[in-house]
Amino acid sequence: GQQLNQSPQSMFIQEGEDVSMNCTSSSIFNTWLWYKQDPGEGPVLLIALYKAGELTSNGRLTAQFGITRKDSFLNISASIPSDVGIYFCAGQLYNNNDMRFGAGTRLTVKP
Amino acid sequence: DSGVTQTPKHLITATGQRVTLRCSPRSGDLSVYWYQQSLDQGLQFLIQYYNGEERAKGNILERFSAQQFPDLHSELNLSSLELGDSALYFCASSPSGWGTNTGELFFGEGSRLTVL
Repeated sequence: GQQLNQSPQSMFIQEGEDVSMNCTSSSIFNTWLWYKQDPGEGPVLLIALYKAGELTSNGRLTAQFGITRKDSFLNISASIPSDVGIYFCAGQLYNNNDMRFGAGTRLTVKP
Repeated sequence: DSGVTQTPKHLITATGQRVTLRCSPRSGDLSVYWYQQSLDQGLQFLIQYYNGEERAKGNILERFSAQQFPDLHSELNLSSLELGDSALYFCASSPSGWGTNTGELFFGEGSRLTVL
């Protein structure tokens, strides 16, 4: 119930292609965050969303806070080799502010 | 550089042993979180401390324990180690609890534990 379902689990794309990944849950969240983990590193925040319906961009990255507050997506446009890594969604639960992480989407970009 | 420091970066030990992982949070951050990341897995929340007190507990085994000291650094103790405990252990910090105005966590680079 309070788990985040992140999909896809992995993606193999060609450089220049756009990428889309999402997280869904049956629970309501008051914050959605997207992190990226480079190999051998800890996750780093990419985008934070605080309002239902909010659409936020950070360079080639765009993320949206779903209107139902139960989902979020992340898009990466015109992918480049340095986009390789694991992307995690994280949500802060509405009822108790606990943070939940998705299982991650492993992105591979072929030059 | 997130400002969160974890030591050691790598640790190899045998089953049945006990290890301690150390974390220094960002300057000024009161909350410390511990996460476990097994191979090709997501981040499993273990435990959170806020200003020296346990604030939230996740899927932390009874063989594991943690504490946060007055200087706000934290230690994660793993005992009676099993092969399945091999994983990356991340520490993260934030200015206050999860109810902060941003919710952002700042992660260290992790401690890779290998149990043989």
